[in-house]
Amino acid sequence: KAGVTQTPRYLIKTRGQQVTLSCSPISGHRSVSWYQQTPGQGLQFLFEYFSETQRNKGNFPGRFSGRQFSNSRSEMNVSTLELGDSALYLCASSLGGPNTEAFFGQGTRLTVV
Amino acid sequence: GQNIDQPTEMTATEGAIVQINCTYQTSGFNGLFWYQQHAGEAPTFLSYNVLDGLEEKGRFSSFLSRSKGYSYLLLKELQMKDSASYLCAVREDSGGYQKVTFGIGTKLQVIP
Repeated sequence: KAGVTQTPRYLIKTRGQQVTLSCSPISGHRSVSWYQQTPGQGLQFLFEYFSETQRNKGNFPGRFSGRQFSNSRSEMNVSTLELGDSALYLCASSLGGPNTEAFFGQGTRLTVV
Repeated sequence: GQNIDQPTEMTATEGAIVQINCTYQTSGFNGLFWYQQHAGEAPTFLSYNVLDGLEEKGRFSSFLSRSKGYSYLLLKELQMKDSASYLCAVREDSGGYQKVTFGIGTKLQVIP
């Protein structure tokens, strides 16, 4: 079956702009989590959506938001981009149960200039 | 809150055994994961522990001690392709939700 698909793979934006990233989970997976990965901080949890509801949220400013659609696809939006937002943004999908593994997409590499 | 510690870098020889340690502090522990991430690629799932003890899966094994807040990933018969970052991640119950926090990762270099 198809894996987790993230689009676009690469993106260059300027400071102050906003950006929307997309994630299509594995068919049947209802949980989608978003992470920011930078060399110095590692993987930082942004938020998780399950059945169109935000189930948990990390410690990121309100400029970072997300949503999930009825087909479990998810989008992440970052407004008023800052240079420090440059990172690899990873999406992971899972069935959503207590001991289910998460499958990661290839990520979107965002560069803010 | 969460605090996860693992060594930043390790080097081991092809064919040898290496143990990557992970310590954590959490108030609502609900499982520990190990992921492998090759440079420029997405993390891939290796193992999951929620009870104390050893979980073996081929050349890879993972151990958990909940009372000590400690886990390790054991890689046997190392191969060059095992050169990658190994991420320890802890799931905890937090305010009625479950969240997963990742360590910064251990970069393993396998040398001939």
